[in-house]
Amino acid sequence: QKEVEQDPGPLSVPEGAIVSLNCTYSNSAFQYFMWYRQYSRKGPELLMYTYSSGNKEDGRFTAQVDKSSKYISLFIRDSQPSDSATYLCAMRDNAGNMLTFGGGTRLMVKP
Amino acid sequence: EAGVTQFPSHSVIEKGQTVTLRCDPISGHDNLYWYRRVMGKEIKFLLHFVKESKQDESGMPNNRFLAERTGGTYSTLKVQPAELEDSGVYFCASSQELRGLTEKLFFGSGTQLSVL
Repeated sequence: QKEVEQDPGPLSVPEGAIVSLNCTYSNSAFQYFMWYRQYSRKGPELLMYTYSSGNKEDGRFTAQVDKSSKYISLFIRDSQPSDSATYLCAMRDNAGNMLTFGGGTRLMVKP
Repeated sequence: EAGVTQFPSHSVIEKGQTVTLRCDPISGHDNLYWYRRVMGKEIKFLLHFVKESKQDESGMPNNRFLAERTGGTYSTLKVQPAELEDSGVYFCASSQELRGLTEKLFFGSGTQLSVL
């Protein structure tokens, strides 16, 4: 079983839609949770960073962490064609700096 | 400010050959990481340098892989001899903070390695 599960998609939505991206994980030691966006032929770019449980909002993006369910989400409001990319969740524990990634969800926002 | 630079962007070699990948982190970043993504799999951690010292190399798959960071600046990752299963995208990342909530990793665009 993978430590972090993420639906690979692709997820296709019309412009302006609300997008929900999710990851589940099995390691209860994970404390730091991140969402990265990766465009084609580019490296991952950090979007959101949360510690432990709760919500964090930044512009059109909201990250949620539910540690009791081992479930994290990224919501994108008013999605734009420029949001079309692969979204990766990543997480780590307190013991080190190694990130454990999900496989990524490919998102396509159609004009 | 220049980002993390990786060279080459693509490399095609035959099984048994040697390949060296290079990463230039953002100036002033003490932390340097190597990650890789093989076909159909997740991005996986290889190792972590703090300046010139290997902090964690638990992700290195075997002794055919050798990473160095002489002088604490750029880093190289050598694969010798390369095997078919080494094909994938090798990412380098750097950061200024160690641990803590404020650490932000900056990734390079990766080196696509194809072993034929």
